Amino acid sequence: GENVEQHPSTLSVQEGDSAVIKCTYSDSASNYFPWYKQELGKRPQLIIDIRSNVGEKKDQRIAVTLNKTAKHFSLHITETQPEDSAVYFCAAKDGNSGGSNYKLTFGKGTLLTVNP
Amino acid sequence: DAGVIQSPRHEVTEMGQEVTLRCKLISGHNSLFWYRQTMMRGLELLIYFNNNVPIDDSGMPEDRFSAKMPNASFSTLKIQPSEPRDSAVYFCASSQGHSNTEAFFGQGTRLTVV
Repeated sequence: GENVEQHPSTLSVQEGDSAVIKCTYSDSASNYFPWYKQELGKRPQLIIDIRSNVGEKKDQRIAVTLNKTAKHFSLHITETQPEDSAVYFCAAKDGNSGGSNYKLTFGKGTLLTVNP
Repeated sequence: DAGVIQSPRHEVTEMGQEVTLRCKLISGHNSLFWYRQTMMRGLELLIYFNNNVPIDDSGMPEDRFSAKMPNASFSTLKIQPSEPRDSAVYFCASSQGHSNTEAFFGQGTRLTVV
């Protein structure tokens, strides 16, 4: 099955700096890679996702890159703000088995702290 | 749509008691995931269903855990008997079941077994 590794586990940056979180996955059949943000005491919520037919996607201060050959993908947050402080999870979705296997596997999470 | 709805939001129970967690999927979704979240292990997938059928239950810790989908919009996760190590936040999430669509999470149930 799929294995998703996420680094770093904690990341502290100064307000205005950039933050980068990296993930690797093991199953070459995976074709959907979402990123979730979880604030303290709340549910994980999707912030951006990328599908295997593109290498990069951007949404305002957030961007995600995907390298299918190397099986890794990254989240980039620019001009960080204190409200970006949260736990971020990457995930990979296994799209094989004739379309019947929709298992979403998460990384362990990265606690991002943005210091004012 | 109100999103994925879980109940109860909080549950405190004594060791040995039966606990049932409930989840209502978003209308039109046909994939359902149960996750357990702890500080030590992060988000662990327990089981997932597609079209009411359990596809992968390899994450279910042991026989004390069971999950069902009695219909297309509702699921239960039961722990019997409960143990203190089961204390965690349990999330369910639903999606439309295609390989590249978003999974929406419920608010979670914080379970404490004393």
